[in-house]
Amino acid sequence: AQSVTQPDIHITVSEGASLELRCNYSYGATPYLFWYVQSPGQGLQLLLKYFSGDTLVQGIKGFEAEFKRSQSSFNLRKPSVHWSDAAEYFCAVGYQKVTFGTGTKLQVIP
Amino acid sequence: GAVVSQHPSRVICKSGTSVKIECRSLDFQATTMFWYRQFPKQSLMLMATSNEGSKATYEQGVEKDKFLINHASLTLSTLTVTSAHPEDSSFYICSATQRKKGQQGTDTQYFGPGTRLTVL
Repeated sequence: AQSVTQPDIHITVSEGASLELRCNYSYGATPYLFWYVQSPGQGLQLLLKYFSGDTLVQGIKGFEAEFKRSQSSFNLRKPSVHWSDAAEYFCAVGYQKVTFGTGTKLQVIP
Repeated sequence: GAVVSQHPSRVICKSGTSVKIECRSLDFQATTMFWYRQFPKQSLMLMATSNEGSKATYEQGVEKDKFLINHASLTLSTLTVTSAHPEDSSFYICSATQRKKGQQGTDTQYFGPGTRLTVL
């Protein structure tokens, strides 16, 4: 069965600092991987996705993620965090039926 | 493009009543729509998958008779919570996928803004 683990429940970073959110997955074949962001009381917005090809994926809002098959990871990164990035981030894996991780809540301090 | 709306955004109802939530794909035809439930500070739990013109496929543990799903057109799916009780209070989110002819790979899910249901 497919599964996703986001080991960090809550992360706090200073504005302007770099960010890395961890995601590990379990999937029986070549994974389809996603990162979504959710603001309080809102739906989910797709940041980026990986299906195949280049393992470094560029997304919206300056985010990128790197697929590492050997580590079963798909970590999300941003070189400089803005206060508006404060939200909950979900990693997901799957083909058609998608499984979501439990999320990482990002707090940005001035 | 690929905008999904939900209505209402927030609903409060009395225990025992039924509530209908609409999910619409505004600028594309959604071959498949998904309904999720999200508890506070938790992840999304898939409730059911619906394809236009066919019966929804429910996940294990989800009551079909309680959560009625209708996908009557390529742009509209509805979730009706029948005889709602306080334990049904939750954040319900729908998503839709758009399949283009000849497209390979998975269909990206586009999410609605969610509906907050409170049952008194």
